[in-house]
Amino acid sequence: DARVTQTPRHKVTEMGQEVTMRCQPILGHNTVFWYRQTMMQGLELLAYFRNRAPLDDSGMPKDRFSAEMPDATLATLKIQPSEPRDSAVYFCASGKGQPNTGELFFGEGSRLTVL
Amino acid sequence: DQQVKQNSPSLSVQEGRISILNCDYTNSMFDYFLWYKKYPAEGPTFLISISSIKDKNEDGRFTVFLNKSAKHLSLHIVPSQPGDSAVYFCAASARNFGNEKLTFGTGTRLTIIP
Repeated sequence: DARVTQTPRHKVTEMGQEVTMRCQPILGHNTVFWYRQTMMQGLELLAYFRNRAPLDDSGMPKDRFSAEMPDATLATLKIQPSEPRDSAVYFCASGKGQPNTGELFFGEGSRLTVL
Repeated sequence: DQQVKQNSPSLSVQEGRISILNCDYTNSMFDYFLWYKKYPAEGPTFLISISSIKDKNEDGRFTVFLNKSAKHLSLHIVPSQPGDSAVYFCAASARNFGNEKLTFGTGTRLTIIP
């Protein structure tokens, strides 16, 4: 049963600490996305990769956030330094890309609390 | 600027009746639309989609309607069941323009009353 795997599921940290979230996309998928869920904005896109190349990170605060794909089986989202306003659920999703359907498969999310 | 809008944060429907969830978009380049369903503490799961070349797509109890001129789509669930209680997200992409990213609305929480 193929699925997107995210770690950690829950993270509580103090303001100023570095946080790294990891994602293993579904094997064979060539697009990877990071979304953040907040009450006010719903699901906001933070970063988007195709074939490991970053295509869009316009939704990401550049001064503290960074997203990478060191290899096809791992995507990372790093926050340094973390702030209380970063508290949210972060979702990773993967897809097969064009010309397949536009369906994305989501992981279960990483709930981040910054104190 | 919210390009995909779900103006109803919540909706309650009696079991067995029809649930209608609405979504509006502003970006004319959007050509592919999806609905996702989300349970608490889980990731969103794909429900149904529609391409801009169609105005209706049906899958079992779920039907999505697209009105391109009004930039409006809706999801109909008939009959509604208690397991349908969840948050529903509308999403859109501009696939024909090579952009696979999904822009989501803020979600509608559907509660089915037994």
